[in-house]
Amino acid sequence: DVKVTQSSRYLVKRTGEKVFLECVQDMDHENMFWYRQDPGLGLRLIYFSYDVKMKEKGDIPEGYSVSREKKERFSLILESASTNQTSMYLCASSGYNEQFFGPGTRLTVL
Amino acid sequence: GESVGLHLPTLSVQEGDNSIINCAYSNSASDYFIWYKQESGKGPQFIIDIRSNMDKRQGQRVTVLLNKTVKHLSLQIAATQPGDSAVYFCAETLNQGGKLIFGQGTELSVKP
Repeated sequence: DVKVTQSSRYLVKRTGEKVFLECVQDMDHENMFWYRQDPGLGLRLIYFSYDVKMKEKGDIPEGYSVSREKKERFSLILESASTNQTSMYLCASSGYNEQFFGPGTRLTVL
Repeated sequence: GESVGLHLPTLSVQEGDNSIINCAYSNSASDYFIWYKQESGKGPQFIIDIRSNMDKRQGQRVTVLLNKTVKHLSLQIAATQPGDSAVYFCAETLNQGGKLIFGQGTELSVKP
């Protein structure tokens, strides 16, 4: 069974903290993606990666960075968390077809 | 000022009825389309896909129709069940496996 796992289901952080969200896939997929999902705004792409050590900006990269040191792992980093980054964060991976999503991390920044 | 998010379109159906969820996609060059189901508190789950060289594809209890002339995609669910209650998203892409553009989603509510 294909699997995308995310390090935390729920996370509470304080403004200004550095936050790491980890995503791991076991499907040997080349492509990995980070989205945020907010009510009424749908899924918005933050960053994606087509290969190890490669990254490309999505639609809303400001305030975020990513790291892809290994094929199976794609990390999203909030350098200095702010309250407007409170959201549901979804990781996905894909090979040649559909994207498979993880369960999501609900991040609250106080 | 603060932007106000839109409420999701909602479709309410009786258990056992057929459901039709519609989606207008944005790019006439999109080559591959996917429908996802998202239950509360979970990540989106793949339902069915269709390539642009097809106009219909059937799965188990679901059918996707593609009308490229008007850039319209629909998902039909036969004999809708309470377990089908969720938000349904369409997604399009120029290349399979690549970056997806998601629709806003439709909330399906199934009444027993």
